[in-house]
Amino acid sequence: GAGVSQSPSNKVTEKGKDVELRCDPISGHTALYWYRQRLGQGLEFLIYFQGNSAPDKSGLPSDRFSAERTGESVSTLTIQRTQQEDSAVYLCASSLAGNYGYTFGSGTRLTVV
Amino acid sequence: GENVEQHPSTLSVQEGDSAVIKCTYSDSASNYFPWYKQELGKRPQLIIDIRSNVGEKKDQRIAVTLNKTAKHFSLHITETQPEDSAVYFCAAIGTASKLTFGTGTRLQVTL
Repeated sequence: GAGVSQSPSNKVTEKGKDVELRCDPISGHTALYWYRQRLGQGLEFLIYFQGNSAPDKSGLPSDRFSAERTGESVSTLTIQRTQQEDSAVYLCASSLAGNYGYTFGSGTRLTVV
Repeated sequence: GENVEQHPSTLSVQEGDSAVIKCTYSDSASNYFPWYKQELGKRPQLIIDIRSNVGEKKDQRIAVTLNKTAKHFSLHITETQPEDSAVYFCAAIGTASKLTFGTGTRLQVTL
């Protein structure tokens, strides 16, 4: 597509529920990234996919967080047993390769109540 | 891993003045340094980038300089306008092949 698409744009969930966030990268972009941005804060790296290589999961904050990507297409970020501290905007980005500029999606605003 | 520090955290300038934001990085292997602008409630957008084989790059009112020896790079905005008001993030890619972002600078351009 023309840009990085994320869904849903907003998600309100009850504490303890699981949520799944989706990212459609730009067609042809081999690299895909997930970042978390808490209100008024910077961008916190979560996970990075590059082609068929093993993902870099070094930023996932706990084992409640996981992500998958099928080939060079859609990625899903799953948060199990959500906690209030998970409330943030989850941004997905894609790029042609690891050392090119990222294009960000509009993000999913997650609110855990 | 890579560590990127950014200063100042907030910056207020009058319209027409220049603004400078500075960043330092830790990984000497870093070779790509983009700058992103994020308006309130919007996604970060790439405004300019520089690679390690270049010392300076300019695009109209914005410019970026890189000093590899000192491991720092800076964003310069000249003739600032109200629409330049936003949060600016610097970033660097090192050996880990992913961007590490600075903590952001909130730029306010006043009339």
